[in-house]
Amino acid sequence: DIQMTQSPSSVSASVGDRVTITCRASQGISTWLAWYQQKPGKAPKALIYAASNLQSGVPSRFSGSGSGTDFTLTISSLQPEDFATYYCQQGYSFPLTFGGGTKVEIK
Amino acid sequence: EVQVLESGGGLVQPGGSLRLSCTASGFTLNNYDMSWVRQAPGKGLEWVASISGRGDNIKLAESVKGRFTISRDDSKNTVYLEMNSLRVEDTAIYYCPKVEQWLALDYWGQGSLVTVSS
Repeated sequence: DIQMTQSPSSVSASVGDRVTITCRASQGISTWLAWYQQKPGKAPKALIYAASNLQSGVPSRFSGSGSGTDFTLTISSLQPEDFATYYCQQGYSFPLTFGGGTKVEIK
Repeated sequence: EVQVLESGGGLVQPGGSLRLSCTASGFTLNNYDMSWVRQAPGKGLEWVASISGRGDNIKLAESVKGRFTISRDDSKNTVYLEMNSLRVEDTAIYYCPKVEQWLALDYWGQGSLVTVSS
């Protein structure tokens, strides 16, 4: 199975800050990488697919990059509605696997 | 508008069975793979099962193989997760996201809570 490791597990930031979350795969997955946002008590919401492609309706302050084993999700200017937990997920092979999550908290 | 709606969750004793349903709207179900993903209380996301658009390719997580079955009835726009021999560790919210290209999960419902407890 491909292991997905996210860092940090949590980050404290202020509105307007630039936030970067990293995701590392235990083996190369090309760009078969997706990112999700989850708020408390809500279902996950898809943000990015194929490592760098924004889902429809996702604000442009979100961006993704990377290929192979190392990936990043960047929020260029954190907004109040962005405080949530973020997960990466590989779609390269089954079983599909998720990172452990990164909680973005208010500083 | 694309929507998926999970139902069928509830409280069940260890060793019991439950069938979850996932009703889709706003898209043609048989054109897409579908998955089940669960989230235990306070924990992260865990993929459980996937079924191809034609229903001929099924994948299951090792943790549920031999106990869970995924199926689909396109005439009812519904995907099912049949869960047998349930364990306490199966307690979770079960989501049924639509699968898009790159095996990303683009539309999620609100989930259905399954509680396994005596």
